[in-house]
Parts: sequence; structure tokens; C-alpha cells
Amino acid sequence: NAGVTQTPKFRILKIGQSMTLQCTQDMNHNYMYWYRQDPGMGLRLIHYSVGEGTTAKGEVPDGYNVSRLKKQNFLLGLESAAPSQTSVYFCASSLGGPNEKLFFGSGTQLSVL
Amino acid sequence: QQQVKQSPQSLIVQKGGISIINCAYENTAFDYFPWYQQFPGKGPALLIAIRPDVSEKKEGRFTISFNKSAKQFSLHIMDSQPGDSATYFCAAIGGAQKLVFGQGTRLTINP
Repeated sequence: NAGVTQTPKFRILKIGQSMTLQCTQDMNHNYMYWYRQDPGMGLRLIHYSVGEGTTAKGEVPDGYNVSRLKKQNFLLGLESAAPSQTSVYFCASSLGGPNEKLFFGSGTQLSVL
Repeated sequence: QQQVKQSPQSLIVQKGGISIINCAYENTAFDYFPWYQQFPGKGPALLIAIRPDVSEKKEGRFTISFNKSAKQFSLHIMDSQPGDSATYFCAAIGGAQKLVFGQGTRLTINP
């Protein structure tokens, strides 16, 4: 009953540092997503994947990269962290697309100082 | 560019009252309108969803009302309970558009 698991839960970075957020789903879902949540702005799509080996840009992709080498894993990378990337990041998955139920992880609180 | 506008940003309702959250959209290609509920420290979870072929959908105390001509949809929570205190997001998708979320409403139910 794990669903969508994200790691880490919290992270503090210095400006210019890099890091990778990890996401794993155990529901055999085809679609996976990375969102960021900022106060007053809802959830905004960073990148998404429609299947193993594929990725695509979302609404706010700049400064992020992603990889989906295995169907169950979707990694979000920050190459050079900036204060504007301070946010809460959520990974999500769905079986057949975003017009179906999305299952979200519990989030990663990232601060860039 | 906010494609789905949600209001109010915050809402306080007394226990037993009706909570109403509204959303408006511009893109007539949208054909799926979900609502997500998020508790502090958790990820959002699908609460209820509607497609434009119906004007209302009810699940327990939660009802979505949909007005296609006005391009508006709303969430009504009847007999609101303290356990309903959470942040609620409306969303929309359709055509070539990706799923877009409203800004969110922080709902507090006072006991």
C-alpha cells in the first residue's frame, strides 16, 4: 500500500548546489508528474512522463531536468539551485493520463538559501 | 496565465454550515473538472470530479455544481465538519491542454 513515495522529505540547499529528488510508484502507472506548490499559485506542472524512457516539459520546466529510466521511478534534478526554486515539490502518478485520478506523494520541502 | 481562477483564497465556516468554493475557467475545450483535497503535510488527494455532460454530482456531503454556459463550477460541502479543514484545489483539463490547478482555498471549520 505504499502508492507514491518521495525522498527526501526536507532539504536545504545553498545557491548553486545540485540535488536529485526521487519518486517511486508501485501501482504500475504509465504517467508520472512533478509539480511544485507555492502559496497562492496552486500546483504547477514542471515535467511529466507518459512512459518509461520518455519525458516532456510542463508549465515551469526551466532549471529542472528529469529522467525515467524505469517505469516505477521518476527523478527530478536541480543542476544549480536558485532561491526561486524554494518550494514544496510533489510527485504524482496516474494510470492512463491526467484526466484520470492522480495519486500524489507526500511532498519534499526544499529551501534554497 | 491562470487558466482556472479559484475563490476565495481562505474560508472559515462554522461546524454544520455549508462551505462553498468557486472556480471559473476560460478554455471551452476543458472537459474534466476534478477537485483535490490536501491536509497539512500531505499530498493532494482526489475528492470528486465531474464531466460537463452533467450539471451536478454528489458524493456524500460533497457536491460539484457545474455551469457550462457561465464556465464556472463549484464545490459545496454540506454539514461541514472540523475534519473537512484542509486546502481544496479545483482543476481542469481538456483538448490539448494539460491539467491546470486553481490557486487553492484554505478551509477552516470552527467547532
